[in-house]
Amino acid sequence: DSGVTQTPKHLITATGQRVTLRCSPRSGDLSVYWYQQSLDQGLQFLIQYYNGEERAKGNILERFSAQQFPDLHSELNLSSLELGDSALYFCASSVASAHTDTQYFGPGTRLTVL
Amino acid sequence: SQKIEQNSEALNIQEGKTATLTCNYTNYSPAYLQWYRQDPGRGPVFLLLIRENEKEKRKERLKVTFDTTLKQSLFHITASQPADSATYLCAAGYSTLTFGKGTMLLVSP
Repeated sequence: DSGVTQTPKHLITATGQRVTLRCSPRSGDLSVYWYQQSLDQGLQFLIQYYNGEERAKGNILERFSAQQFPDLHSELNLSSLELGDSALYFCASSVASAHTDTQYFGPGTRLTVL
Repeated sequence: SQKIEQNSEALNIQEGKTATLTCNYTNYSPAYLQWYRQDPGRGPVFLLLIRENEKEKRKERLKVTFDTTLKQSLFHITASQPADSATYLCAAGYSTLTFGKGTMLLVSP
């Protein structure tokens, strides 16, 4: 158990809908990262937040947005969902903002868009 | 664009042998490489980090090398066990992490 929690575990929704994925980092960790993992693309970095501020951005679509709250939990919002958004979404946390810091991954949210 | 390539074919070895996995990167010079283990349906678990100025790093039965000339990292598991069966991901970093698609390792008794 990494200490990172993600909810929900599974999410099934329809095209065009909007969903919110939630992540709670390990106690004491200030950085939260979001990743998308699909069979054809592998694990793709989406975005990083550090202590409430956006720190780095990867291949995140404009339909996706994220935020980190004062209690350090984070939410990833996915809107206007398409079939291709079906994937595993992982949240990871680390103690600080350097990318050499060990990242601890949560169990993931499996999103299925029908 | 930056690419991290790992062998997509599964590696099958017998218990007790050394498993060697390869990670090649192109179109950039990462400051460090990380290796992760991922079991089916679970999040990746960090194993080792090696920096560009380090040639080799060890942790128990694991060894990682980083060859900046060949643009390659090798990941070794010595005295492999069936419990080592998993997918191993290589990730290269400069400002953010770029992951390879992983290589599945199957260790048979």
